[in-house]
Amino acid sequence: EPEVTQTPSHQVTQMGQEVILRCVPISNHLYFYWYRQILGQKVEFLVSFYNNEISEKSEIFDDQFSVERPDGSNFTLKIRSTKLEDSAMYFCASSEVGGNYEQYFGPGTRLTVT
Amino acid sequence: AQSVTQPDIHITVSEGASLELRCNYSYGATPYLFWYVQSPGQGLQLLLKYFSGDTLVQGIKGFEAEFKRSQSSFNLRKPSVHWSDAAEYFCAVGVEAGGSYIPTFGRGTSLIVHP
Repeated sequence: EPEVTQTPSHQVTQMGQEVILRCVPISNHLYFYWYRQILGQKVEFLVSFYNNEISEKSEIFDDQFSVERPDGSNFTLKIRSTKLEDSAMYFCASSEVGGNYEQYFGPGTRLTVT
Repeated sequence: AQSVTQPDIHITVSEGASLELRCNYSYGATPYLFWYVQSPGQGLQLLLKYFSGDTLVQGIKGFEAEFKRSQSSFNLRKPSVHWSDAAEYFCAVGVEAGGSYIPTFGRGTSLIVHP
């Protein structure tokens, strides 16, 4: 069964550094998403991406964040200058266009900012 | 803005017992409603969803949920719990956005299953 994959599984970085989180969505999916889950809190939507541009974004997704689909398979989330409060689990998801709206989630990347 | 409340942080049941996880939502229009399950170290997996029609929705792994508009609820049920059901369960209300939806999640309910 096709699945969304994410790398790395755990990333440790120092405050102020840039990080790139990588995701490989399911191959025939055209909508891509990033979510985050701070430890002990709810899963929060960050951004959706369709047709090579941002479709929707939340208030959390400020100028320090960016997304990119650099090639035909990867979907990345870049955090330009990490802060302690960026420590969280980051989930990537993908879905088909229309239809049943089901979003398939990856296993997540745990980001720890020290 | 939409919101989701899962009033139970933890639920403990014995294996073989029935289960009901509560979810209340706040949304001005007819909602898209979802239940997801998250096992340790895994991403979220969709259990079931409600868009319209029959208010009793069947999902995977023997789960079902009932949409009750008058109570703004979408409770998840399972008649007989298995030890492998131990996980975190998230209710979500989705707002349609183009060809997709943007979910707002509840805080989750942790299900503990005793043998």
